[in-house]
Amino acid sequence: AQSVAQPEDQVNVAEGNPLTVKCTYSVSGNPYLFWYVQYPNRGLQFLLKYITGDNLVKGSYGFEAEFNKSQTSFHLKKPSALVSDSALFFCAVRDIRTGGFKTIFGAGTRLFVKA
Amino acid sequence: SAVISQKPSRDICQRGTSLTIQCQVDSQVTMMFWYRQQPGQSLTLIATANQGSEATYESGFVIDKFPISRPNLTFSTLTVSNMSPEDSSIYLCSVEDRSQDSGNTIYFGEGSWLTVV
Repeated sequence: AQSVAQPEDQVNVAEGNPLTVKCTYSVSGNPYLFWYVQYPNRGLQFLLKYITGDNLVKGSYGFEAEFNKSQTSFHLKKPSALVSDSALFFCAVRDIRTGGFKTIFGAGTRLFVKA
Repeated sequence: SAVISQKPSRDICQRGTSLTIQCQVDSQVTMMFWYRQQPGQSLTLIATANQGSEATYESGFVIDKFPISRPNLTFSTLTVSNMSPEDSSIYLCSVEDRSQDSGNTIYFGEGSWLTVV
């Protein structure tokens, strides 16, 4: 069965500092991995995805994520955090081989960026 | 990506009533999904809605409680029946991008924020 874990409920970072939001996954086949962001009182917005190829993928708002197959991780990063980055972030996984049409979401990590 | 519109965006509902949420997409899509996000929680898939067939429900969700319609390739509705306070959630419509290199990414509407009193 496919699953995704976000080990941190909350991440606090000062504005201008680098940020990392962690995600690990478990699938039996090759994963498709995604990050979404939910700003207050909004729906989910797609940030970036990994399907194949370069392990470092770049997405919206200056975010990027690194796929690490040996560690089964897909951590979200940004070199310099902004206060406006404060939001709820969801990692998601899809196992095309066995997961069918389902995209499974992690529990979410709330990011607080302090000025 | 497709533009997904949901109505209503917010509502306060009385216990025991039913509410139908509409989802309109600006392009034809094969797969539409309905998710629920309870307060402070992650997303849980309710059902997958394909045009021309019955919706496929996930464990813990039943058609009598969450009937779904999918009359064409751009529209779907989700009804939350006989509501109780436990149904207070954000209900999210999503569609799958099946274009090449999309990775079958799913995109979401803004959600329908329901409060049951």
